[in-house]
Amino acid sequence: KNEVEQSPQNLTAQEGEFITINCSYSVGISALHWLQQHPGGGIVSLFMLSSGKKKHGRLIATINIQEKHSSLHITASHPRDSAVYICAADGGYGGSQGNLIFGKGTKLSVKP
Amino acid sequence: DSGVTQTPKHLITATGQRVTLRCSPRSGDLSVYWYQQSLDQGLQFLIQYYNGEERAKGNILERFSAQQFPDLHSELNLSSLELGDSALYFCASSLIGGLETQYFGPGTRLLVL
Repeated sequence: KNEVEQSPQNLTAQEGEFITINCSYSVGISALHWLQQHPGGGIVSLFMLSSGKKKHGRLIATINIQEKHSSLHITASHPRDSAVYICAADGGYGGSQGNLIFGKGTKLSVKP
Repeated sequence: DSGVTQTPKHLITATGQRVTLRCSPRSGDLSVYWYQQSLDQGLQFLIQYYNGEERAKGNILERFSAQQFPDLHSELNLSSLELGDSALYFCASSLIGGLETQYFGPGTRLLVL
């Protein structure tokens, strides 16, 4: 069993739909990262959170530390949101923070 | 543009060869991370440096080594290359290497033939 599991693996949505991507982890973490990988391969960090909820534009990330679960929501989805979304657990403490354990990613395709 | 640069963008080489990948972090960032992304393993953490010193090691093979220089750029050396080393290699940087956002470079795509 992977230490970081994402679901679904693939997701197709119509433009305007509300999207949820889930991430569960089995390790103790100091933070959880959500990353976006564009079709060309580039990776952008969307959120880093260790508790509660963060919002940036149409993106919302939540985390429940007790349940070891995080979700990434996209409101009013748009074709330009099509990408692979990756969650990554930072299981390090003290000097080893920042060494991420990655999920396999969720490939999102938003149709116009 | 994340401010992290990586060279080269693409690299094609043969089995048994040695290559060097280069990464320049964002201005002011002291910590550099190296990651490997392959089709079968996904993204994996390789190694982290902070201000010239190795801070943490992940799934880095003995054939691979890295260093961070006084000007804070970093190099990842891959030797005795095998077909399975074909992958995207990313570096990322952050300010001090703690609980903070990492900024990823565009990656180097390595193909071993």
